[in-house]
Amino acid sequence: LAKTTQPISMDSYEGQEVNITCSHNNIATNDYITWYQQFPSQGPRFIIQGYKTKVTNEVASLFIPADRKSSTLSLPRVSLSDTAVYYCLVAPTGDDKIIFGKGTRLHILP
Amino acid sequence: DVKVTQSSRYLVKRTGEKVFLECVQDMDHENMFWYRQDPGLGLRLIYFSYDVKMKEKGDIPEGYSVSREKKERFSLILESASTNQTSMYLCASASPGRTSSGNTIYFGEGSWLTVV
Repeated sequence: LAKTTQPISMDSYEGQEVNITCSHNNIATNDYITWYQQFPSQGPRFIIQGYKTKVTNEVASLFIPADRKSSTLSLPRVSLSDTAVYYCLVAPTGDDKIIFGKGTRLHILP
Repeated sequence: DVKVTQSSRYLVKRTGEKVFLECVQDMDHENMFWYRQDPGLGLRLIYFSYDVKMKEKGDIPEGYSVSREKKERFSLILESASTNQTSMYLCASASPGRTSSGNTIYFGEGSWLTVV
């Protein structure tokens, strides 16, 4: 499994765009990048997944440069309810053993 | 709606007790997982099962065992609970080979275990 590195924590204010970057220097050709969100006292839940370039859904955007050695989760106009831990996961199709890193604790301020 | 159900939300057990944490999923997933989560340490994989009666150790299996007698049910067992096993335990399930190609891993709500 490719090792991932994320900032331990980030603060931002309501209404701002937040970008969380994940480094995965040894990503393999068949690896996908997936982001999960975890609220306090709950299990993580899927946010977004991508392989290359840009992916957008109703919650977030995921930017992946051509070399795929990093990825950036972008949350537009955050609110207090976006305060959570965000995990970046890199794993190949067919890899069943799922290892999470420590995630990024995002704190949104009023 | 998909569902992973953990039997106990909050438990308090004494040191040395045998503890069972039960997890049931209704999605017919082959793969099931047990993680523990502690402040500052993120999610750590304890055990993983890819089929009935099959299991594989995760990063921190010491002090734990698991049981998968039926596809939908995955149990975590603490043979002799200790205070350093006080934690939140999360069960999850996923389809094989699909967690990175569109499908996803689904988590339960978590079980808070306190060992005194």
